[in-house]
Amino acid sequence: RKEVEQDPGPFNVPEGATVAFNCTYSNSASQSFFWYRQDCRKEPKLLMSVYSSGNEDGRFTAQLNRASQYISLLIRDSKLSDSATYLCVAERGNKLTFGTGTQLKVEL
Amino acid sequence: EPEVTQTPSHQVTQMGQEVILRCVPISNHLYFYWYRQILGQKVEFLVSFYNNEISEKSEIFDDQFSVERPDGSNFTLKIRSTKLEDSAMYFCASGPVLSYEQYFGPGTRLTVT
Repeated sequence: RKEVEQDPGPFNVPEGATVAFNCTYSNSASQSFFWYRQDCRKEPKLLMSVYSSGNEDGRFTAQLNRASQYISLLIRDSKLSDSATYLCVAERGNKLTFGTGTQLKVEL
Repeated sequence: EPEVTQTPSHQVTQMGQEVILRCVPISNHLYFYWYRQILGQKVEFLVSFYNNEISEKSEIFDDQFSVERPDGSNFTLKIRSTKLEDSAMYFCASGPVLSYEQYFGPGTRLTVT
């Protein structure tokens, strides 16, 4: 079983739509969780950390469910510039384990 | 906003040659990392470095690989004898104390021919 599992997509959505990505992780010893964004052939960029209480940053909301080992990212009011690959990441002992990413394409 | 920098952006080398990839982490960060991403695949952890020593390394990071912090600013990854399968994007990352967040550089694309 993969350590971090994501639906690869692509998710094709119209501008203004709300889209949700899900991710599961297998190692219960993972301590911290993140969503990164990666544009084609560029570096991963930290989008947000994920907390059990849920956290929001503008149009982005992340949620962690430790009991189900499940992480989510919700993007509201999608913009064309949100088109990218979204990487779910688990951290343990300062080592990041990445999922394969979910591709999002926001269209006019 | 401070950022991680990496040089070169693209390196082409012949199989069996040694390469050194260079990184300048964010200045007040104390944790340093190398990751790689083979085209079309996920980002994979190679090694973490703290307090002038390796704190963890993956199975990929075999005897052909080494890391060094030769001065107060640079962090390098050396591959002693490159193989075709070492072709990938190599990302350096750094992280501050008291946080597990990691910030990535723009990467070095290594092509082994």
